[in-house]
Amino acid sequence: GAVVSQHPSWVICKSGTSVKIECRSLDFQATTMFWYRQFPKQSLMLMATSNEGSKATYEQGVEKDKFLINHASLTLSTLTVTSAHPEDSSFYICSASSGPYQETQYFGPGTRLLVL
Amino acid sequence: AQSVTQPDIHITVSEGASLELRCNYSYGATPYLFWYVQSPGQGLQLLLKYFSGDTLVQGIKGFEAEFKRSQSSFNLRKPSVHWSDAAEYFCAATDSWGKLQFGAGTQVVVTP
Repeated sequence: GAVVSQHPSWVICKSGTSVKIECRSLDFQATTMFWYRQFPKQSLMLMATSNEGSKATYEQGVEKDKFLINHASLTLSTLTVTSAHPEDSSFYICSASSGPYQETQYFGPGTRLLVL
Repeated sequence: AQSVTQPDIHITVSEGASLELRCNYSYGATPYLFWYVQSPGQGLQLLLKYFSGDTLVQGIKGFEAEFKRSQSSFNLRKPSVHWSDAAEYFCAATDSWGKLQFGAGTQVVVTP
């Protein structure tokens, strides 16, 4: 149980285009989903927290207009990188939580984004 | 400020030898504590977690961790490592609001 999927697993795009990444909880309802960014050989940095049906809460320094997050249902959250630039190239990982206090997060396999 | 510290960036261990990964936390109250493992290019897999109760926690893949309040530590151990245990290990903590804070990670290399 507690499986989280992400799609696509990797994407290459041209600078200036937008890319959408999906995160799905396959066998449980996720009250909260989280989006992380991981640079090579570094730890995960939380970008934003999203609750179903409400606006995402972004961490300090994360541009909400650049990283659009939508949590339309209890099993799906999307991250759209708008007008992507090479510096947006990274490994994006989502997680989902179903606990009453969001204690335990289950992570997706990640999406590697390369912006040319 | 809240923090999670993994003092060892890199550990090399022989196959069959024991492994201990260190983790220290700094929180106002005892947080929820987790250990995750990440294989190259993959997401994170939960190894074990501590919320309360027994301070010795058993996890998957033969891992265990011991919570020591007096030392603000949550060290991960495995009695005998396998080559497949080579990966990046992350300690993480969260308060009741759910925002996970990760340590910097420890890269484990297993030699024959």
